[in-house]
Amino acid sequence: DVKVTQSSRYLVKRTGEKVFLECVQDMDHENMFWYRQDPGLGLRLIYFSYDVKMKEKGDIPEGYSVSREKKERFSLILESASTNQTSMYLCASSFFDRSGEQYFGPGTRLTVT
Amino acid sequence: EDKVVQSPLSLVVHEGDTVTLNCSYEVTNFRSLLWYKQEKKAPTFLFMLTSSGIEKKSGRLSSILDKKELFSILNITATQTGDSAVYLCADGGSNYKLTFGKGTLLTVNP
Repeated sequence: DVKVTQSSRYLVKRTGEKVFLECVQDMDHENMFWYRQDPGLGLRLIYFSYDVKMKEKGDIPEGYSVSREKKERFSLILESASTNQTSMYLCASSFFDRSGEQYFGPGTRLTVT
Repeated sequence: EDKVVQSPLSLVVHEGDTVTLNCSYEVTNFRSLLWYKQEKKAPTFLFMLTSSGIEKKSGRLSSILDKKELFSILNITATQTGDSAVYLCADGGSNYKLTFGKGTLLTVNP
């Protein structure tokens, strides 16, 4: 069974802290994605990666960075968390040639106070 | 700018009803249109549509694409309470990127 896991379900951090969100997939997928989901705004792509060490900006990359050192792991980094980064963060993965068929993790609800 | 618009934003029906959810899109370089179901947590993939007029079906759910009129519909027949969810439509554009609509919240009452 396809599985995407995220390191935390709930996280509370203070403004200015560095935050790491980790995502691991066990399907040998080439593509991995980070989204955030906010009421009224829907799902928005932050960053994606189509190969180890490769990354591409999505629609809202400002304030975020990513790291993909291994195929199965994709990390989202908030260098200095701000309150407007309070959100639900969803990781997803897919095969290279079936990028529309994405498998999502359970999400991390991040609150920045 | 590419755009994906879903309607209605929310819908309340009774068990056994049939529902139709709409998705219109304005995108350049169309490749595919996707439907996802999101219950309490992660979206789950339902359908990917690339060709006009060909219905995709899975149990009581079906979907069809009209590339000329730039829309897709998702039909659910004989709805059940377990169908209650947010249904998301997305444009599967170039460079691996999905652009999601805001979703339709479906509530099925017993």
